[in-house]
Amino acid sequence: AQSVTQLDSHVSVSEGTPVLLRCNYSSSYSPSLFWYVQHPNKGLQLLLKYTSAATLVKGINGFEAEFKKSETSFHLTKPSAHMSDAAEYFCVVSDSGAGSYQLTFGKGTKLSVIP
Amino acid sequence: DGGITQSPKYLFRKEGQNVTLSCEQNLNHDAMYWYRQDPGQGLRLIYYSQIVNDFQKGDIAEGYSVSREKKESFPLTVTSAQKNPTAFYLCASSIFAGTGNYGYTFGSGTRLTVV
Repeated sequence: AQSVTQLDSHVSVSEGTPVLLRCNYSSSYSPSLFWYVQHPNKGLQLLLKYTSAATLVKGINGFEAEFKKSETSFHLTKPSAHMSDAAEYFCVVSDSGAGSYQLTFGKGTKLSVIP
Repeated sequence: DGGITQSPKYLFRKEGQNVTLSCEQNLNHDAMYWYRQDPGQGLRLIYYSQIVNDFQKGDIAEGYSVSREKKESFPLTVTSAQKNPTAFYLCASSIFAGTGNYGYTFGSGTRLTVV
């Protein structure tokens, strides 16, 4: 069974300061992990994905995430927040076991960026 | 450009009425999915289809129906049996049905409101 927990439902940062969105996962197999971003009334856009290659994954718009197996974490970071980063972010896990098809979504973290 | 098109963007349903949400993709993806999104609850899987003429129930299939007559199309019908249909509905597709490693491509969503 797989699950994902986003530790903060809401994060607020000032423009130009670092962003940290926390995600812990549970997986029976070697997981694939993803971060998606959703702007209001829009679909989800893939930010980055981890699929058992390099543990530090770089994504679009300056975001990156580090896979830490010992901590079962996949936190999303960005060195300097921009106003356009204000959105909701979803951490997603997929088991890589045979026949796995389904993504399990976290409940989301809403990021606010203060001017 | 390749992508997923959901229509309509906004939909209003009267009590006791069936409505159908459209989802079309030109990505040549095998698998397609329907999710329901409610505030603070993340995304919940309604139905998915790995191949034409076949589909499976997700976690919250009651009150919904789907068809997959063409690879490109996966319409969702919200029936009168769905007692609380007001939500944001997202359609997604993926390259392989058997793994989530490649992530999903999402449409821009349909917001359904009961009036």
